[in-house]
Amino acid sequence: ETGVTQTPRHLVMGMTNKKSLKCEQHLGHNAMYWYKQSAKKPLELMFVYSLEERVENNSVPSRFSPECPNSSHLFLHLHTLQPEDSALYLCASSQDEFGGNTGELFFGEGSRLTVL
Amino acid sequence: AQTVTQSQPEMSVQEAETVTLSCTYDTSESDYYLFWYKQPPSRQMILVIRQEAYKQQNATENRFSVNFQKAAKSFSLKISDSQLGDAAMYFCAYRSGSYSGAGSYQLTFGKGTKLSVIP
Repeated sequence: ETGVTQTPRHLVMGMTNKKSLKCEQHLGHNAMYWYKQSAKKPLELMFVYSLEERVENNSVPSRFSPECPNSSHLFLHLHTLQPEDSALYLCASSQDEFGGNTGELFFGEGSRLTVL
Repeated sequence: AQTVTQSQPEMSVQEAETVTLSCTYDTSESDYYLFWYKQPPSRQMILVIRQEAYKQQNATENRFSVNFQKAAKSFSLKISDSQLGDAAMYFCAYRSGSYSGAGSYQLTFGKGTKLSVIP
């Protein structure tokens, strides 16, 4: 069982659909993150949750709605997306919001989203 | 705000040879951390190596080592005895070492360098 698991791995949706991405971590970490990875751009931090409370929201459009029901699970709810939202969405976790003693993030394999 | 620049979008190396990936960063802080992450195709991104700015000694992890030049704000990654499994996207990242409010410890990533290993 890998440390951080994301589902689905691939998702195709229309602009009017509602879908969700799921992330689960089995590392006992207290912080979880959503990143957006687009080609030829740096990773963009979208949301940070620490102990199930949102501590960072980097001006993400409201069509992306995160949910963190407990410290092991993180969701990204998607609705009325735009084609430019097509990207790889990465979930990550760390010991705490400060990255723990090492500052290390542990990533999932990502969910490849295509918006038609 | 800190920025991280990786000037080489793509690089290639012959198997068993050595390759160096470049990274420069811009910051006014003296206390920070630098990282190299590796993202193989369709695989998870993993930490390769980490450097604390206050340490003068360059970090080393097996075949991976860094050349950290604090004054020049340069942080290059050297991969020795390259293997086919080293083929991946490599991301340089910066993290502040001083807490100055929510988000101050978040990682800033470069755009990445795609490394190909030629058999």
